[in-house]
Amino acid sequence: DVKVTQSSRYLVKRTGEKVFLECVQDMDHENMFWYRQDPGLGLRLIYFSYDVKMKEKGDIPEGYSVSREKKERFSLILESASTNQTSMYLCASSSPSGRDREQYFGPGTRLTVT
Amino acid sequence: AQSVTQPDIHITVSEGASLELRCNYSYGATPYLFWYVQSPGQGLQLLLKYFSGDTLVQGIKGFEAEFKRSQSSFNLRKPSVHWSDAAEYFCAVGPLTSGTYKYIFGTGTRLKVLA
Repeated sequence: DVKVTQSSRYLVKRTGEKVFLECVQDMDHENMFWYRQDPGLGLRLIYFSYDVKMKEKGDIPEGYSVSREKKERFSLILESASTNQTSMYLCASSSPSGRDREQYFGPGTRLTVT
Repeated sequence: AQSVTQPDIHITVSEGASLELRCNYSYGATPYLFWYVQSPGQGLQLLLKYFSGDTLVQGIKGFEAEFKRSQSSFNLRKPSVHWSDAAEYFCAVGPLTSGTYKYIFGTGTRLKVLA
């Protein structure tokens, strides 16, 4: 079974803190993604990575950065957390080739910034 | 521009009734199409996918979906809904072939099941 794990299910941080969300996948997937999910807005792509040390901005990258030092690990960083970053954060991975192009999702991290 | 539309934000059905969730996409070629389900507080789980071949695809939990190229649709169906099907359902296309690996998701349909 493909497993995508996220470091925390629930996180509460204060405004201005630096926040790290970590994601690990065990399927040797090249592609990894970070989304945020808000009611009525669906999933919005923050960043994705198609290889180690390679990243591209998604649709809403402002206020976020990412790091991919190893193939299996993709970290999302909130440089200075703000209340409007309170959300559910979902990590996903996928393979860029072959018949199985679906994304595999982690359980999500619900982040509250106070 | 590529897009995915799920026109129904909420759907309520009685347990045992049939279900159809609508999904329309806008894409320049035949895409990879997916349906995912999300239970409260959880990540997304793949229900089924289509990329070629038979336009009627079977998935897990008794779900099926039909790809209709002429209507740019990929509707999800289940003949008899169970209370445990209450969840949010997302239709998606991707990865895009425009040089990126992005996927596009609909905004979701929340299913409520009445006992």
